[in-house]
Amino acid sequence: AQSVTQLDSHVSVSEGTPVLLRCNYSSSYSPSLFWYVQHPNKGLQLLLKYTSAATLVKGINGFEAEFKKSETSFHLTKPSAHMSDAAEYFCVVTPYNNNDMRFGAGTRLTVKP
Amino acid sequence: KAGVTQTPRYLIKTRGQQVTLSCSPISGHRSVSWYQQTPGQGLQFLFEYFSETQRNKGNFPGRFSGRQFSNSRSEMNVSTLELGDSALYLCASSLGQGLAGVYNEQFFGPGTRLTVL
Repeated sequence: AQSVTQLDSHVSVSEGTPVLLRCNYSSSYSPSLFWYVQHPNKGLQLLLKYTSAATLVKGINGFEAEFKKSETSFHLTKPSAHMSDAAEYFCVVTPYNNNDMRFGAGTRLTVKP
Repeated sequence: KAGVTQTPRYLIKTRGQQVTLSCSPISGHRSVSWYQQTPGQGLQFLFEYFSETQRNKGNFPGRFSGRQFSNSRSEMNVSTLELGDSALYLCASSLGQGLAGVYNEQFFGPGTRLTVL
């Protein structure tokens, strides 16, 4: 069985400051992990994905995430927040055989001017 | 290249009715997946179709069904609607089979917002 927990339902940062969105996962086997972003009234957009290659994954718009097996974490970071980063972010896990996917509850990121 | 389109964008139904939602994938994409998004349950995977065959299925009752046509367009049907079916239904397409875009990135449509009264 697999699951994913996003530790913060809401994160608020000031523009230009770092962003940290936390995600812990549980998986019986080697998982694939993803971060998606959803802007209001829009579908989801893939930010980045981990598929057992490099543990530090770089995505679009300056985001990156590090897979830490010992901590079962896959936190999303960005050095400097931009107003356009305000959105809902979802951490997602799939098992090695790719036959299911579980979404975290989401973290709403607010960026203050 | 046109993105994933979903019709209708908004829908209001009453309990007991049935509803059909449509999804047109990006041209050339053969996989279509459906997801339900609600405030209480969050995002949940419904099913995936590839080459007109259901390949994977989430944990939803049989009232939720789907199909895919030879042109890769997909429809999702919900029968005997319940209040709890009110949700945003998202469709995603990808070139090849497989969920979450492990090997093929998924592209999402804007969703159909279904309200059940």
